[in-house]
Amino acid sequence: SQQGEEDPQALSIQEGENATMNCSYKTSINNLQWYRQNSGRGLVHLILIRSNEREKHSGRLRVTLDTSKKSSSLLITASRAADTASYFCATETGANNLFFGTGTRLTVIP
Amino acid sequence: DAGITQSPRHKVTETGTPVTLRCHQTENHRYMYWYRQDPGHGLRLIHYSYGVKDTDKGEVSDGYSVSRSKTEDFLLTLESATSSQTSVYFCAIRGVNDGYTFGSGTRLTVV
Repeated sequence: SQQGEEDPQALSIQEGENATMNCSYKTSINNLQWYRQNSGRGLVHLILIRSNEREKHSGRLRVTLDTSKKSSSLLITASRAADTASYFCATETGANNLFFGTGTRLTVIP
Repeated sequence: DAGITQSPRHKVTETGTPVTLRCHQTENHRYMYWYRQDPGHGLRLIHYSYGVKDTDKGEVSDGYSVSRSKTEDFLLTLESATSSQTSVYFCAIRGVNDGYTFGSGTRLTVV
């Protein structure tokens, strides 16, 4: 069973706009992570937020976590064509492994 | 990706044949994972290892076995491949900051 679910499934924006993706999960977590996957490639770790944190920043990325609502959001500011990819949230519970959602497909139009 | 390699990158095999996929890391990390990725399902955990000869099942382990005789190598074996095992397989290692590093994947087709 999947722990995380991303919303929307697909998102298309113009270059320079901001992109927001949401993730909901079902059970208590130790941390939540976001990954990017370019077509035909492996996943790349973007950012990790722990259950006792509410917000983290990394460059143009901003992640929030609301454990009371069991949800997270990933904001990419000033998007670029190179940001076109699939984005996955993944949750880690107490078992030292990650459960992934089905991803959001982001298209940034130049 | 730096520190983790998968082989082969592509493989076509016939139903009923055994297949072994290899994952090699140079990072000396304790935890290693095998995932499969299918359209509509995201990534699903097959097996993982928390040390040499220490492995455990994931959510889709039926039809798969693993072995880890050395820290750097984690092997995934399909004892008798079926068409439902056609997928892209990813190996991953867990880093010291708890983020995972993924290999480039193995695209397996069972005909």
